[in-house]
Amino acid sequence: GAVVSQHPSWVICKSGTSVKIECRSLDFQATTMFWYRQFPKQSLMLMATSNEGSKATYEQGVEKDKFLINHASLTLSTLTVTSAHPEDSSFYICSARGGQPNTGELFFGEGSRLTVL
Amino acid sequence: DAKTTQPPSMDCAEGRAANLPCNHSTISGNEYVYWYRQIHSQGPQYIIHGLKNNETNEMASLIITEDRKSSTLILPHATLRDTAVYYCIVRVVGNDMRFGAGTRLTVKP
Repeated sequence: GAVVSQHPSWVICKSGTSVKIECRSLDFQATTMFWYRQFPKQSLMLMATSNEGSKATYEQGVEKDKFLINHASLTLSTLTVTSAHPEDSSFYICSARGGQPNTGELFFGEGSRLTVL
Repeated sequence: DAKTTQPPSMDCAEGRAANLPCNHSTISGNEYVYWYRQIHSQGPQYIIHGLKNNETNEMASLIITEDRKSSTLILPHATLRDTAVYYCIVRVVGNDMRFGAGTRLTVKP
């Protein structure tokens, strides 16, 4: 199946700093990418939908000024957590759609674990 | 997209078939049933999906009832590496994918 890669896989930062997470589709062009957040022992929560070349659509309750999403190319979307605080510590996962639109499955990255001290 | 209901947890003996049920009684005609699993601290992995016919691939089989209100994912010979949270998701192709609580499957030796 198609491959989606995230970087970094884990990151530790100080409170108040910003952290950027990259999501790349390695062998297909992803017109749409999705960003999820997962807290311990909970399910994945959709944060936003990112379409190449346009502004991201955020889910209710997700602060767009805090979680900046950029999808500047068909193979790369980035999530920047601005002014991170300990409550932003979570597992962030991206997924991508494209390559095989007839089947409809999404391909997920390995996830990025953020710890804010 | 329609809501799904899954048991919170199940156990299965290694080497035996694991049958994971999912109820989706409000499914509409253009919604597919997708199954993903998430092994601890990894991203979800696609398993299988179907519309109304039963499907089989190298990982699993998907049995969808005739009225499409429920389905069962079958792992024919479960191994310890199949221990994971399994998510049943109903969605229209092209829509975003939203996860419920899933079923935590524990395969025991």
